[in-house]
Amino acid sequence: QVQLVESGGGVVQPGRSLRLSCGASGFTFSDYGMHWVRQAPGKGLEWVAVIWYHGNKKDHGDSVKGRFTISRDNSKNTLYLQMNSLRVEDTAIYYCVRDSMQWSTSGYFDSWGQGILVTVSS
Amino acid sequence: NFMLTQPHSVSESPGRTVTISCTRNTGNIATNYVQWYQQRPGSAPTPVIYENNQRPSGVPFRFSGSVDSSSNSASLSISGLRTEDEADYYCQSFDGVNWVFGGGTTLTVL
Repeated sequence: QVQLVESGGGVVQPGRSLRLSCGASGFTFSDYGMHWVRQAPGKGLEWVAVIWYHGNKKDHGDSVKGRFTISRDNSKNTLYLQMNSLRVEDTAIYYCVRDSMQWSTSGYFDSWGQGILVTVSS
Repeated sequence: NFMLTQPHSVSESPGRTVTISCTRNTGNIATNYVQWYQQRPGSAPTPVIYENNQRPSGVPFRFSGSVDSSSNSASLSISGLRTEDEADYYCQSFDGVNWVFGGGTTLTVL
């Protein structure tokens, strides 16, 4: 069965960097697009970034564009989110999410990790 | 970017039926599929409806989805309400460029 396990979260000061990782198992990782979705404390869900299955195409939400970078290593079945110039408003639980469609992307997030908390505070 | 608007909260009694709406502000709701996710406190979201009205494996028949172009809205209906249905519910859609979530609706079963 699909398993997504995030790691790398923690407390970081504003302006600093952090890299999240997501280990995938139970499916052919290199066949699926992957996303990061976040949720600020007590707030709703916000899409953050997507990367296509091959890793050659990616996109980021407006609130993180130019600061965050999504990447993947298909040989290690791992998804990453490099977060630079962190702001207090980036404080959130970050979820690693699988796209439902093989070899493309769709509108449907069919599997979610348990999430990892990132706290940006001085 | 388009937006999806949901009621902040709804409540209903056990055994009854509740419907949660999700209204799109620009563009036709029927042009792109709508998904619904359930999030219980302290847990990650899980899908309950995809592609407007499809149920993932394991989701009870009590959950159903629909789309209405006249109101430019999607709806999630839950029949035979149980206390375990208490959760936050989010609608979500993708127009080929942007993945957008509604603000979420808290369902209370009392």
